[in-house]
Amino acid sequence: KAGVTQTPRYLIKTRGQQVTLSCSPISGHRSVSWYQQTPGQGLQFLFEYFSETQRNKGNFPGRFSGRQFSNSRSEMNVSTLELGDSALYLCASSSAGTGGGSPLHFGNGTRLTVT
Amino acid sequence: AQKVTQAQTEISVVEKEDVTLDCVYETRDTTYYLFWYKQPPSGELVFLIRRNSFDEQNEISGRYSWNFQKSTSSFNFTITASQVVDSAVYFCALSEALGAAGNKLTFGGGTRVLVKP
Repeated sequence: KAGVTQTPRYLIKTRGQQVTLSCSPISGHRSVSWYQQTPGQGLQFLFEYFSETQRNKGNFPGRFSGRQFSNSRSEMNVSTLELGDSALYLCASSSAGTGGGSPLHFGNGTRLTVT
Repeated sequence: AQKVTQAQTEISVVEKEDVTLDCVYETRDTTYYLFWYKQPPSGELVFLIRRNSFDEQNEISGRYSWNFQKSTSSFNFTITASQVVDSAVYFCALSEALGAAGNKLTFGGGTRVLVKP
């Protein structure tokens, strides 16, 4: 079974631009979550989608948004990029329905650098 | 609010030594899940183990073992006879188990393990 696939692996953007990251979950997984990883803040939850609906959202500004398509693939978008948005963005998928507890399976991440 | 603390930021050992990673958590939930993940240099977080709050039985998987003590809110992880391939950052994480909370994980800060040959 193919794992979670994230594209692109690396991105370099300029302050003020916007960026879209893509995530293809493991086949059959309907839950997709996004996490931001930085040296200062560690791993922080961005949001989770299940069956095309945002089920949970972390404490990030509205510049961070996402969506999920009918095939469970997900995208996240960051508008008006700031230097502090430089991070490794990790996508994870899970077979979970309602409730938590199912292990998350992570992709290799997209490393975003904002200059 | 949930919180996970990994007090050790970095541990360096020589191959074949045992290493124990500490994890202390805080939650008001009576039902929850605890996890350990490994992050090698490639960046991908690899799932190692899940424990629910009602199962305090210790677990051993090969050279890995986990000690869950609800009384002290700890979920420690031991690598026995460490190998160079164990070098990675290890994360402890916590999630709620009920309701529409979905799969939100609260991670600890991670412990970097360096195993020297």
